[in-house]
Amino acid sequence: NAGVTQTPKFRILKIGQSMTLQCTQDMNHNYMYWYRQDPGMGLKLIYYSVGAGITDKGEVPNGYNVSRSTTEDFPLRLELAAPSQTSVYFCASRTLGTGSNGELFFGEGSRLTVL
Amino acid sequence: DAKTTQPPSMDCAEGRAANLPCNHSTISGNEYVYWYRQIHSQGPQYIIHGLKNNETNEMASLIITEDRKSSTLILPHATLRDTAVYYCIVRVGFMNYGGSQGNLIFGKGTKLSVKP
Repeated sequence: NAGVTQTPKFRILKIGQSMTLQCTQDMNHNYMYWYRQDPGMGLKLIYYSVGAGITDKGEVPNGYNVSRSTTEDFPLRLELAAPSQTSVYFCASRTLGTGSNGELFFGEGSRLTVL
Repeated sequence: DAKTTQPPSMDCAEGRAANLPCNHSTISGNEYVYWYRQIHSQGPQYIIHGLKNNETNEMASLIITEDRKSSTLILPHATLRDTAVYYCIVRVGFMNYGGSQGNLIFGKGTKLSVKP
């Protein structure tokens, strides 16, 4: 299994541009998450999904959108990039059910700079 | 959610045990203690979790006090590769919870530096 794969790993955007961060997992996990991490800080939850077709907001959803059309994919969309969105973005997934310890599996991160 | 308090940083000599404390004085009866670590801006990695009893796996041991208000993560023989930020998180058990109840909230954690 490749686990959780994020693309791109690095990206520089100009203010006002749009882009999509891709996330895919091959573990057939129900739950998927997007976090952002600012320098020296912990992770903050942006959006999450409990299954295909279902998404919900986390702590810091403003300026972002998500969709979950398949179990595997959970893209994060930035519509009008702002310098405040400069951060490292992490996608994660987990399964649900008895016997699972609820372990979150993270991708390697996508570093986004907005200038 | 119960909040946790961790020291911002700690040092440990290579080969010695690293003991990372966490206070969670407002923990509820159905909340677990989870530990994750993040090595040099990689994605966080699950280490261990527990409810009441002490737990051990191939990576670490988790000691939870009897009143459950604090816990300690123990890395028995720290190596340079254990240098990372360690996060202590308190959350209801994942196993049968969906929606926002299963979400992890990460604080700033403890920066552990293992020195030669």
